[in-house]
Amino acid sequence: AQTVTQSQPEMSVQEAETVTLSCTYDTSESDYYLFWYKQPPSRQMILVIRQEAYKQQNATENRFSVNFQKAAKSFSLKISDSQLGDAAMYFCAYRSAWYSGGGADGLTFGKGTHLIIQP
Amino acid sequence: GAGVSQSPSNKVTEKGKDVELRCDPISGHTALYWYRQSLGQGLEFLIYFQGNSAPDKSGLPSDRFSAERTGGSVSTLTIQRTQQEDSAVYLCASSLDRNTDTQYFGPGTRLTVL
Repeated sequence: AQTVTQSQPEMSVQEAETVTLSCTYDTSESDYYLFWYKQPPSRQMILVIRQEAYKQQNATENRFSVNFQKAAKSFSLKISDSQLGDAAMYFCAYRSAWYSGGGADGLTFGKGTHLIIQP
Repeated sequence: GAGVSQSPSNKVTEKGKDVELRCDPISGHTALYWYRQSLGQGLEFLIYFQGNSAPDKSGLPSDRFSAERTGGSVSTLTIQRTQQEDSAVYLCASSLDRNTDTQYFGPGTRLTVL
C-alpha cells in the first residue's frame, strides 16, 4: 500500500514571502499521479497542482510550483509571493495511474500542513 | 458548469439513528468517490463508483456503511445505527472517468453523532 507523509503539521510565512511545504511518499509503482490540494475553512478541497510521475519537468501553476524528485520519492510545493488567501490546510495526495477496480482508485492523502500567512 | 454538490451541509443525529448523505457529481462525470475526514484518521478513501457500479467496497469502515449510485449520477452514502466514531466530514468527489486522474471535490457533509 502507498503512504504519503507530510512532516510539517504547521508552517507560518510572512505575506509576500516564499514557503515550501514538504511531502514524501512510498510506493513500488512506477506510474502514478501526485497532487496538492488546498482546503480552506470552508472545507472545499481545491486542486492546486498535479504532477504525472512519468514527466520529469516540474509542474507550475502561477505562484505554485513543485519540486518532484522521483528517485527520492519527494514532492514539495513552493508558494511564491504568499498571499493572505493562501492560508489553508494543504494536502499532498497520491493516486496510482492504473485502474485496479479497488482501493487504489482513490486518493491516498497525507495528514496535511496548516499554512498560516502573517500579514 | 456547477461543481460537485453535497447535502446536507451539516447533520446532527443521535447515536443509533440512520443517516443518508447525498452527492451530486459534476454533470457528465462517470466516476464518483467518497472519502471521510476525521481528526484521528485524516482523509480516508471509502468507495468508488464507475457508473452505477462499485467494484470494491472494502474501504467502507463497517457493514453499517453502504453506498449506492443510481442513473450514473447521484450517490447516497447511508450509515445505519450511527456511532459516535462516525462523526466526521464526508467528502464526495467526481472525475470525468475512471482513467482521469483529477478529482473535483464537493464541500462535504459534517456529521455529528451525539
